[in-house]
Amino acid sequence: DSGVTQTPKHLITATGQRVTLRCSPRSGDLSVYWYQQSLDQGLQFLIQYYNGEERAKGNILERFSAQQFPDLHSELNLSSLELGDSALYFCASSVDAVNSPLHFGNGTRLTVT
Amino acid sequence: AQTVTQSQPEMSVQEAETVTLSCTYDTSESDYYLFWYKQPPSRQMILVIRQEAYKQQNATENRFSVNFQKAAKSFSLKISDSQLGDAAMYFCAYRSPWGGGSEKLVFGKGTKLTVNP
Repeated sequence: DSGVTQTPKHLITATGQRVTLRCSPRSGDLSVYWYQQSLDQGLQFLIQYYNGEERAKGNILERFSAQQFPDLHSELNLSSLELGDSALYFCASSVDAVNSPLHFGNGTRLTVT
Repeated sequence: AQTVTQSQPEMSVQEAETVTLSCTYDTSESDYYLFWYKQPPSRQMILVIRQEAYKQQNATENRFSVNFQKAAKSFSLKISDSQLGDAAMYFCAYRSPWGGGSEKLVFGKGTKLTVNP
């Protein structure tokens, strides 16, 4: 168990809908990362937060947004969902923003129908 | 931008044998971190081993070891005494320590390892 908790484990929704994925980092970790894993694109970095502030942004669509709250948990919001958004979404956390390894949660499997 | 290449989409090994997974990367930085992650069928991403580029000594974790060739930008993973539980997708990853948003993990496409009994 990595100590990173992601909910829900599975999510099935229709096109055009909006969903929220939640992540609780390991105790003591200040940095949270979101990754998308799809069959054709592999693991793609979406966004990173450190101690509540956005630190880095990757290939995140404008329909997607995220935030990290004062208690350090993070949420990834996906709106106007399309079939192509179906993927496994991982949250990871690390102690700091630069040097420490990332520890991943078990992911949220999103299926858009 | 850094890139990570895993040239072996699939590999197989007999139980108790040794297998080496290849990884190369492209960077202009002199200091960085390299990782191998394992993703079994459960889909969890598990950190296997970590290497700091400034360390010449190759990292080792039990049956897992790396061959880090900095000049060649190569970072291979050797699994000794392979076990059925080693069957998984293995991802090589690069991380820059320089901040400014460049410190995200960049992953290769992965190598699927099958362990035959």
